[in-house]
Amino acid sequence: AQTVTQSQPEMSVQEAETVTLSCTYDTSESDYYLFWYKQPPSRQMILVIRQEAYKQQNATENRFSVNFQKAAKSFSLKISDSQLGDAAMYFCAYRSVNTDKLIFGTGTRLQVFP
Amino acid sequence: GAGVSQSPSNKVTEKGKDVELRCDPISGHTALYWYRQSLGQGLEFLIYFQGNSAPDKSGLPSDRFSAERTGGSVSTLTIQRTQQEDSAVYLCASTPGTYIYNEQFFGPGTRLTVL
Repeated sequence: AQTVTQSQPEMSVQEAETVTLSCTYDTSESDYYLFWYKQPPSRQMILVIRQEAYKQQNATENRFSVNFQKAAKSFSLKISDSQLGDAAMYFCAYRSVNTDKLIFGTGTRLQVFP
Repeated sequence: GAGVSQSPSNKVTEKGKDVELRCDPISGHTALYWYRQSLGQGLEFLIYFQGNSAPDKSGLPSDRFSAERTGGSVSTLTIQRTQQEDSAVYLCASTPGTYIYNEQFFGPGTRLTVL
C-alpha cells in the first residue's frame, strides 16, 4: 500500500522569505500523481500544485514550485516570497493510476511572521 | 457557480445517537468523495461515488458508517450509534469525472463532536 510522510509538523518563515516543505512517499508503482493542498482555517482544501510522475520537469505555479525526485520518492514544496496569506496547513497527497482516492500525509502547519 | 457545500458546518451529538452529514457537489460533477480528518491526522479516504454507485467503499471504518448518493448529486454520510472516536472533520470533494489528473474540489467540511 502507498504511504505519504510529512516529517515536519510545523514550519515557520518570515514574510518575503523562502520556505521548503518536505514530503516523501512509498510506492511500487511507476506512474502516479502527486499533489500539494493548502488548508486555511476555513477548512476548505485548495489545490496548490500537482505533478505527474512521468514528467521529469518540476511543476511551478507562480510562487510555488516543487522539487520532484522520483528515485528518492521525494516531493517537496518551495514557497518563494512568502506572504501572510500563505499561513495554513499544507498536505501532500498521492494518487495511483489504479484508484480514485487521494492518500494524504499528516500535514505541515506553516506560520508566516511579518 | 457555487462550490461544494456541506451541512451542517458543525454537529455536536451524544454517544450512541445517529447523525447524517450532507454534501452538495459542484453541479455536473459526477464523482464524489468523502474523507475524514481526525485531530493531528491527515485526511483518510472513506468512500467514492461515480454517479449513484459506490465502486470503492474500502475506507469506511465500520458497518456503522454508510453513505448514499441520489440523482447523481447530493450525498449523505450516515454514522449510526456514534462513538467518541468518530469525532473528526468530515470533508467531501467532487470532480467532473474520474480522470486521474482532475482536481478534487473540497467543501468546507462538517466538524462532528461526539460527547
